[in-house]
Amino acid sequence: GESVGLHLPTLSVQEGDNSIINCAYSNSASDYFIWYKQESGKGPQFIIDIRSNMDKRQGQRVTVLLNKTVKHLSLQIAATQPGDSAVYFCAENRGWGGYQKVTFGTGTKLQVIP
Amino acid sequence: DTGVSQNPRHKITKRGQNVTFRCDPISEHNRLYWYRQTLGQGPEFLTYFQNEAQLEKSRLLSDRFSAERPKGSFSTLEIQRTEQGDSAMYLCASSAQGDEKLFFGSGTQLSVL
Repeated sequence: GESVGLHLPTLSVQEGDNSIINCAYSNSASDYFIWYKQESGKGPQFIIDIRSNMDKRQGQRVTVLLNKTVKHLSLQIAATQPGDSAVYFCAENRGWGGYQKVTFGTGTKLQVIP
Repeated sequence: DTGVSQNPRHKITKRGQNVTFRCDPISEHNRLYWYRQTLGQGPEFLTYFQNEAQLEKSRLLSDRFSAERPKGSFSTLEIQRTEQGDSAMYLCASSAQGDEKLFFGSGTQLSVL
């Protein structure tokens, strides 16, 4: 079936290093992907998105890469900080008619080591 | 604070009781969503409103669940005859017309004993 999934449940990174979180999707018709960050006790927070007509998009300290050939996307966080510790979800927008039915994967927990 | 507001933050109830949660979206957002999240999992879509109209419901939303958005502003999610399997975080999100970003509240954590 269609799914959005993550390769690693937990990622530990030294403060100051770059982090890379990977995600695979199975629906080749998907055209919009989103990365969310969820801190303990809070709801998911939008980080960055990318459409299928792009292969790279950059934000502040974050970059999302999309490889449609292998149905894979990644989130790169530069100079990881303690405040980046959270669970990161890749999500797929399966909406139509103008609304967003966002389907989340299981999530990757990022632990930043001081 | 002009973000999405949910209350209560925590709810403990006994099996068989009814519970109701409230969500106040960002004021200019006409779209409102309910999600459910269990420990270690990503949020799962439950239902979606555009203004006061409920346009889609997930199969996860059994007959015991009902959601309303009577005036197109705040929304309520009611669970009747709660079961232990209903224990989860219930998240509300909103978005503006033409904007694909969802803004989530902090959720209501439900524990059914």
